[in-house]
Amino acid sequence: GESVGLHLPTLSVQEGDNSIINCAYSNSASDYFIWYKQESGKGPQFIIDIRSNMDKRQGQRVTVLLNKTVKHLSLQIAATQPGDSAVYFCAEKAGTGGFKTIFGAGTRLFVKA
Amino acid sequence: GAVVSQHPSRVICKSGTSVKIECRSLDFQATTMFWYRQFPKQSLMLMATSNEGSKATYEQGVEKDKFLINHASLTLSTLTVTSAHPEDSSFYICSAGVGGEQFFGPGTRLTVL
Repeated sequence: GESVGLHLPTLSVQEGDNSIINCAYSNSASDYFIWYKQESGKGPQFIIDIRSNMDKRQGQRVTVLLNKTVKHLSLQIAATQPGDSAVYFCAEKAGTGGFKTIFGAGTRLFVKA
Repeated sequence: GAVVSQHPSRVICKSGTSVKIECRSLDFQATTMFWYRQFPKQSLMLMATSNEGSKATYEQGVEKDKFLINHASLTLSTLTVTSAHPEDSSFYICSAGVGGEQFFGPGTRLTVL
């Protein structure tokens, strides 16, 4: 079935370095993607989103890139901090009207001090 | 910002008992509420979608008689895990949707002994 998945299950970076988390999706009709951060024992927090009519969107220290040709998106975190340690999920809107959020597999980010 | 709460945050019960989890949108009225289940080191899996005053729509493979959803008002949805067994132990997360956005609750940790 259609799914959203991730290339890397874990990522370890040094504090201050940039992090890049990747995600592949299979539904070419998907037009809205979201990145979430989930800390241990908590619900997911919205980080940034992007629509399919855009290739790039920037937030505070985060950038999302979307490559529709290869159905790939990435989350870049600049100057990674210990507080960024968490699991990151890409997600897509699905269902009639695109109202359901379907999550990918997740990548755990470890930030070494 | 939009806040979603869940109660209880964690619950331990004996096998065979039923457990009710509440999901509330605190400062907005949610047209749709969603229930997710997350096993350790896995992603969030959508269980069902509910609209106020109507029956929930369950995802494939989710037993509607096992996971009873009641969406009595625009600010409250409940998930009842009936006759819980150890394999139902999981992290249950709700989200509330309005205007195309989804806001997630903090999750409920269910442990069935």
